[in-house]
Amino acid sequence: EPEVTQTPSHQVTQMGQEVILRCVPISNHLYFYWYRQILGQKVEFLVSFYNNEISEKSEIFDDQFSVERPDGSNFTLKIRSTKLEDSAMYFCASSKGGELFFGEGSRLTVL
Amino acid sequence: KQEVTQIPAALSVPEGENLVLNCSFTDSAIYNLQWFRQDPGKGLTSLLLIQSSQREQTSGRLNASLDKSSGRSTLYIAASQPGDSATYLCAADYNNNDMRFGAGTRLTVKP
Repeated sequence: EPEVTQTPSHQVTQMGQEVILRCVPISNHLYFYWYRQILGQKVEFLVSFYNNEISEKSEIFDDQFSVERPDGSNFTLKIRSTKLEDSAMYFCASSKGGELFFGEGSRLTVL
Repeated sequence: KQEVTQIPAALSVPEGENLVLNCSFTDSAIYNLQWFRQDPGKGLTSLLLIQSSQREQTSGRLNASLDKSSGRSTLYIAASQPGDSATYLCAADYNNNDMRFGAGTRLTVKP
């Protein structure tokens, strides 16, 4: 069964460092998303991406965040200068338009 | 403000019991509502998607209903099993891009 895959599963970084989280969405999906979940809190929307551009973004998705689809299969989230409060589980999701399918997440720990 | 609330926050039942999880949303103008399961430290597994024009969806022992006018959805689990123990999340899709999640109901099914 097709699935969304994410790498790395866990990344530890120093505050101020750049981090890139990678996702391979389901191959015939057209919409791509990043969500995050801070430990013990709700899953929060960050950004959606369609037709090679951002379609929606939340107030969390400020200038330190960017997304890219560098080729036909990968979808990346870059955090330019990490802060302690960026520590969270980051989930990638994809859809054809409708039901969302999530990856297993990338746990980011900022020290 | 578009808020999603889930009650109860935690539920413990003996194996074999039928149970209902509740989800309410403040804005009835949703595209669809999706139920997910999340195991500790894991990603979100899609259980059921109910489109705004539908009243319910069924998959195996799961049945989800949607009442847009009252801003409510329920997830019914029949004949619960220990393997059903997980956190169940509902999410309301308001503009086909930005899903709003509830905080979840943590279900424990005791053998």
